[in-house]
Amino acid sequence: DAKTTQPPSMDCAEGRAANLPCNHSTISGNEYVYWYRQIHSQGPQYIIHGLKNNETNEMASLIITEDRKSSTLILPHATLRDTAVYYCIVRASNRDDKIIFGKGTRLHILP
Amino acid sequence: NAGVTQTPKFQVLKTGQSMTLQCAQDMNHNSMYWYRQDPGMGLRLIYYSASEGTTDKGEVPNGYNVSRLNKREFSLRLESAAPSQTSVYFCASSGDNTEAFFGQGTRLTVV
Repeated sequence: DAKTTQPPSMDCAEGRAANLPCNHSTISGNEYVYWYRQIHSQGPQYIIHGLKNNETNEMASLIITEDRKSSTLILPHATLRDTAVYYCIVRASNRDDKIIFGKGTRLHILP
Repeated sequence: NAGVTQTPKFQVLKTGQSMTLQCAQDMNHNSMYWYRQDPGMGLRLIYYSASEGTTDKGEVPNGYNVSRLNKREFSLRLESAAPSQTSVYFCASSGDNTEAFFGQGTRLTVV
């Protein structure tokens, strides 16, 4: 079973920041938080990941709470092309750990 | 650098026919995965391989077999296709403690 819980859908106005929450209250010390998105029916695309520190790259920022039980993906200036299903996944650092997807959040960017 | 390549992109089978979905990656990744995605649903893990020579069941392995032919290739076989196996199939690969890369999918219809 997926180890994360996400809201099924969210709306965000174009140009505003999109904040997508994820709950992972049973996360273990060696598990990372990964975010992917799937645009239409393409293969999922990696966005960002982190262990306990906040992370930022050219696509997004990842904020992880101090207790690591939840996180937020931030798209700073959402565009229509950011309309997608966003998946939050926890995965250990060892290669044997499976990548299990939950239901994700369907993000609608409103013009 | 092609990433993850899946063949074929589309396939129609009759009930009871067999076929093999091919997947190859050129990133020297140890781990490879097969997922299925039904309409409006998230990805469900069928089988995965943490390294060459090893395979393990995922969430929905029944009706499928896999072969990790070498480090590059991971194939998925349907021995006797059923209409319930109509789905989009995604292959993915990942390195140790790195993000996963996904193919563009194989759209399979079983009639």
